[in-house]
Amino acid sequence: AAGVIQSPRHLIKEKRETATLKCYPIPRHDTVYWYQQGPGQDPQFLISFYEKMQSDKGSIPDRFSAQQFSDYHSELNMSSLELGDSALYFCASNQGGNTGELFFGEGSRLTVL
Amino acid sequence: AQSVSQHNHHVILSEAASLELGCNYSYGGTVNLFWYVQYPGQHLQLLLKYFSGDPLVKGIKGFEAEFIKSKFSFNLRKPSVQWSDTAEYFCAVNGFSSGSARQLTFGSGTQLTVLP
Repeated sequence: AAGVIQSPRHLIKEKRETATLKCYPIPRHDTVYWYQQGPGQDPQFLISFYEKMQSDKGSIPDRFSAQQFSDYHSELNMSSLELGDSALYFCASNQGGNTGELFFGEGSRLTVL
Repeated sequence: AQSVSQHNHHVILSEAASLELGCNYSYGGTVNLFWYVQYPGQHLQLLLKYFSGDPLVKGIKGFEAEFIKSKFSFNLRKPSVQWSDTAEYFCAVNGFSSGSARQLTFGSGTQLTVLP
């Protein structure tokens, strides 16, 4: 069965650069969630989208922005990168935002040097 | 606001020992409860989930969890652990408000190390 696809899997950037992460949800899933997991930490919710509209917002820095496109894929844009942004970024999806269970992608590991 | 507490940060067991990881949540309404496992360097995988019905939930790899509403708990158990169970375990809660699902809130995780 198709899973949540994230790209790139690994990304290395310098401080103050920008980065874009992409997430392709499971087919027919219309809700996308972004999580950030720092080293040795639990995943922290950043932001979610339902039917291309932002549905919930967590601890996402102002330097970050995200959107969901007409094909339901989502992109997380990160600017003015800081060392502390180094983390594993997970995308998850589900259908209708109402089923409770989230299906996670394998994550994109961002390293900021 | 919803929150999740996992009291054990690191658990070390020998193979064949029994496991119980504690999870308590805080939320005033209806919740869905989950346990996820994360093997080193990998993504989160669902172990089991509770939505409603029988409070004793069985998941993959021989894991089970019991929802005790009066205690706001959802402890994870396994009768006999294996070396391959070495991983980080996250309890998570998804609270419902007016019929709209919200994002998962994770506990801080428990690192389980099983010694061969």
